[in-house]
Amino acid sequence: GIQVEQSPPDLILQEGANSTLRCNFSDSVNNLQWFHQNPWGQLINLFYIPSGTKQNGRLSATTVATERYSLLYISSSQTTDSGVYFCAVLGGTYKYIFGTGTRLKVLA
Amino acid sequence: DAGVIQSPRHEVTEMGQEVTLRCKPISGHNSLFWYRQTMMRGLELLIYFNNNVPIDDSGMPEDRFSAKMPNASFSTLKIQPSEPRDSAVYFCASRQGGSPLHFGNGTRLTVT
Repeated sequence: GIQVEQSPPDLILQEGANSTLRCNFSDSVNNLQWFHQNPWGQLINLFYIPSGTKQNGRLSATTVATERYSLLYISSSQTTDSGVYFCAVLGGTYKYIFGTGTRLKVLA
Repeated sequence: DAGVIQSPRHEVTEMGQEVTLRCKPISGHNSLFWYRQTMMRGLELLIYFNNNVPIDDSGMPEDRFSAKMPNASFSTLKIQPSEPRDSAVYFCASRQGGSPLHFGNGTRLTVT
């Protein structure tokens, strides 16, 4: 099956810093989503991005499907950005494969 | 759009008791998923429904777990009898066609 790897596994930032999270996948995919799991455990959909670039405020994402990776950029990080960021890919028609996540802590 | 609604938010029960988790998907979504999240295994797909029909239940751990979707706006996940190793966060998610997957807030289950 498709393998999804995320890096780095852990990241500590000072408030205001920028960061890039990476998601590599081992085969062509039909779709890709980025999720943020906040400290309360909620899984929030950030981007639905099978290819190209999208921006939403301080966050943006780029997926290069031909090279099998996606990047999530966080600019001017805030403490509320803390949590775990998951990349999930859709290989077939319904089964999402989740990466193991990047655990981000933003310090005030 | 109220999002995917799960209840209860927390459930604490004793080993051997029956547990029922509930989910209301986003209106118009025809695909519903139940996931379980633990530290050891991450997010695991338990069962997938399409148009209220179970399509893939290969992730259901054992016969103690069962899921139903009697109509397009309601699904249940039942564990009977519950065991301490079932302790986890259980998420329901829904989507429509090529749209994004949306998660509910989850049910944190603790079996003592």
